[in-house]
Amino acid sequence: EAQVTQNPRYLITVTGKKLTVTCSQNMNHEYMSWYRQDPGLGLRQIYYSMNVEVTDKGDVPEGYKVSRKEKRNFPLILESPSPNQTSLYFCASSPLAGGPADTQYFGPGTRLTVL
Amino acid sequence: EDKVVQSPLSLVVHEGDTVTLNCSYEVTNFRSLLWYKQEKKAPTFLFMLTSSGIEKKSGRLSSILDKKELFSILNITATQTGDSAVYLCAVRGDSWGKLQFGAGTQVVVTP
Repeated sequence: EAQVTQNPRYLITVTGKKLTVTCSQNMNHEYMSWYRQDPGLGLRQIYYSMNVEVTDKGDVPEGYKVSRKEKRNFPLILESPSPNQTSLYFCASSPLAGGPADTQYFGPGTRLTVL
Repeated sequence: EDKVVQSPLSLVVHEGDTVTLNCSYEVTNFRSLLWYKQEKKAPTFLFMLTSSGIEKKSGRLSSILDKKELFSILNITATQTGDSAVYLCAVRGDSWGKLQFGAGTQVVVTP
């Protein structure tokens, strides 16, 4: 089944404890992206990747890191989480950003709480 | 600064009514506009509109893009309770990789 998976789905952690949220897609998509969703603010893009080893900042990259060593994986790293990073996080992938098949498939979401 | 504004923020309608959702945008070098539906989970894709495809239709849903006036409309006719969701609009501008979302419109369809 074509899908985007994220792990963990739920995470409660404490300030300053490094964490990684994994994202994997099995559709051979070139484009992957991370978003956070907060009430009243819609989805805001954190980082995106146009292809392997190519990543760039979205609108809210502060406090986050990403890497794209393989086409299928795009982990989101919080080196020192803070309470303002409490949010619902979505990973998404697309065959090609802006191309005719630019539909973006979203993962199920990771609800992160930082105490 | 790029901006995407959706209106209204929320609305409640009865089954069978028609709903019109608005999305206005200000982006540098517009490339495409996408509509998504989000129920209590991840967004799912509805339509993509570009300069070469300014009108799309799928069943009871349709969307148009007005590139001159910089807005898009999503219409839902003969609404059903299953149409209750948050509808998100997103725009690609100067950078292919960046996608700017609006805050969304919450639609509640009552029986």
